[in-house]
Amino acid sequence: GENVEQHPSTLSVQEGDSAVIKCTYSDSASNYFPWYKQELGKRPQLIIDIRSNVGEKKDQRIAVTLNKTAKHFSLHITETQPEDSAVYFCAARLWRAGSYQLTFGKGTKLSVIP
Amino acid sequence: EAQVTQNPRYLITVTGKKLTVTCSQNMNHEYMSWYRQDPGLGLRQIYYSMNVEVTDKGDVPEGYKVSRKEKRNFPLILESPSPNQTSLYFCASSSDRIWTDRNTEAFFGQGTRLTVV
Repeated sequence: GENVEQHPSTLSVQEGDSAVIKCTYSDSASNYFPWYKQELGKRPQLIIDIRSNVGEKKDQRIAVTLNKTAKHFSLHITETQPEDSAVYFCAARLWRAGSYQLTFGKGTKLSVIP
Repeated sequence: EAQVTQNPRYLITVTGKKLTVTCSQNMNHEYMSWYRQDPGLGLRQIYYSMNVEVTDKGDVPEGYKVSRKEKRNFPLILESPSPNQTSLYFCASSSDRIWTDRNTEAFFGQGTRLTVV
């Protein structure tokens, strides 16, 4: 199966600075990589995703990059704001033999200091 | 409104007493799954289902059962709960058509906080 490693586990940044969270995956057959944001006491929600045929995707202040050769992908948040404080999860979807699994990293707790 | 609904939201039970957590989605999604969330361990998949009557074990299936008799429902069953199953549980659903333009987002339920004493 797939194994997803996520770093760092906690991250503190000053408001306005950038934040970067990195993930690596083990199975080269993985082809879809979403990022989820979980605010305190709430459910995870998708914020951005990328497919294996794309190297980079951007949506306003957030961007994701994918390096298939190195099997790692990263979330970049620019001009961070206090409302960006949350736990962020990366995930990798492995499609094989008509079935797939979505495996999550352990999460990164991001704190944006006003 | 597109949603995944879990019930109950909170449950305190005793060791060995069978319980079921229900999950229902109204988006006609083929794929449904259950995760447990524990501090420092992230979201770990318990079971998943590609379609009706098709279920597979995830990474931590021991002590759990699931069924998929209808497309919209995917209940999680704990036949004999133990304290190590105290956790926050999430159900999720998504479309399986990842190579089309259709949204492949996994929608999560509100979560069920289970305590086994």
